[in-house]
Amino acid sequence: GESVGLHLPTLSVQEGDNSIINCAYSNSASDYFIWYKQESGKGPQFIIDIRSNMDKRQGQRVTVLLNKTVKHLSLQIAATQPGDSAVYFCADLSLGQGGSEKLVFGKGTKLTVNP
Amino acid sequence: GAVVSQHPSRVICKSGTSVKIECRSLDFQATTMFWYRQFPKKSLMLMATSNEGSKATYEQGVEKDKFLINHASLTLSTLTVTSAHPEDSSFYICSARDRLYTGELFFGEGSRLTVL
Repeated sequence: GESVGLHLPTLSVQEGDNSIINCAYSNSASDYFIWYKQESGKGPQFIIDIRSNMDKRQGQRVTVLLNKTVKHLSLQIAATQPGDSAVYFCADLSLGQGGSEKLVFGKGTKLTVNP
Repeated sequence: GAVVSQHPSRVICKSGTSVKIECRSLDFQATTMFWYRQFPKKSLMLMATSNEGSKATYEQGVEKDKFLINHASLTLSTLTVTSAHPEDSSFYICSARDRLYTGELFFGEGSRLTVL
């Protein structure tokens, strides 16, 4: 079935290093992807998004790369800080049954930043 | 920025009772809201898509009669867990899309339900 998944469940980095979190998706019809950050006990927080007509988008300290050929999405965090420690999810927005839109989340990667 | 408010943030109830969770878009109108369920250390699982003025679209495996969704206005959707049981204990999260479709989905802070 359709799914959005992540390669690694956990990632541990040193403060100041760059972090790369990966995501694979299976729905070739997906046209909009979003990265979210979720801290413990809170709702997801929007980080950055990208549409399928782009292969790269940059934000503040974050970059999202999209490779439609291999259905791969990545989130790069530059100069990772302790405050970046959280679980990161990629999500895929596409049309579901009946034409309604669905936002499907991947499994999540827990990022731990060591001081 | 746009804010989505959920209430209550935490609720404890006895088995067999029903619990209503509200999701409000505070400064924008949302024609579509999504309801998710999240177990500890797991991802968010889409339960249903709530469309203003029409019936919700439920995901496969989600009981419509168990999880009643009402989207009566452009700023409010409610999720009612009927005849709750301990296995319904979970973190429920809603998200809303701006009616003008800015592309971004805004999430509430979640509601933690504990059924005793």
